[in-house]
Amino acid sequence: DGGITQSPKYLFRKEGQNVTLSCEQNLNHDAMYWYRQDPGQGLRLIYYSQIVNDFQKGDIAEGYSVSREKKESFPLTVTSAQKNPTAFYLCASSPDFRSYNEQFFGPGTRLTVL
Amino acid sequence: AQTVTQSQPEMSVQEAETVTLSCTYDTSENNYYLFWYKQPPSRQMILVIRQEAYKQQNATENRFSVNFQKAAKSFSLKISDSQLGDTAMYFCAFIRGATNKLIFGTGTLLAVQP
Repeated sequence: DGGITQSPKYLFRKEGQNVTLSCEQNLNHDAMYWYRQDPGQGLRLIYYSQIVNDFQKGDIAEGYSVSREKKESFPLTVTSAQKNPTAFYLCASSPDFRSYNEQFFGPGTRLTVL
Repeated sequence: AQTVTQSQPEMSVQEAETVTLSCTYDTSENNYYLFWYKQPPSRQMILVIRQEAYKQQNATENRFSVNFQKAAKSFSLKISDSQLGDTAMYFCAFIRGATNKLIFGTGTLLAVQP
């Protein structure tokens, strides 16, 4: 089945550690996105990628990094510089970056910093 | 800056009744797109309905319809014949014309009561 997978579903990290969240899609989509969801704040855009080997910062990129070496993969690294990383992280993709395209979301990863 | 406001943090409706969720947005753009996404307890984000700003006709998807008032910058979602499976967080979202960067409201938690 075509779709977006995120792993792991739950992730625990000690303070000061970097951690990488996986996002894979087999929809042949060019554009991919990472969002952070906090209670009462909706979703906020961390990074996005319009095409392979390209990515741009979203609204809250500080403390995060990404790569887009393959079309189907867009991993997100939460670095120790992120002050409050505990949140729910959602990955999404769309056929391309044009505005009328629906974004399809993965099931999310819950990150907890211990 | 573009903003999306959902003024109803929580709502409740009886099964088979109709409920309307409110959303207002602020933009100086003339070309944009509006979306309602649903996030059930599984936390999977699902597109409910989409409206293009240049279309005067309100979008409809089965039991879901919108009331789009462009001059008032209002985009409400009406759910008819509410079902228990409609229980979810509902997010209003906005995209301005040239990009696919979604801007989300803070969400409305809808509970459908049996």
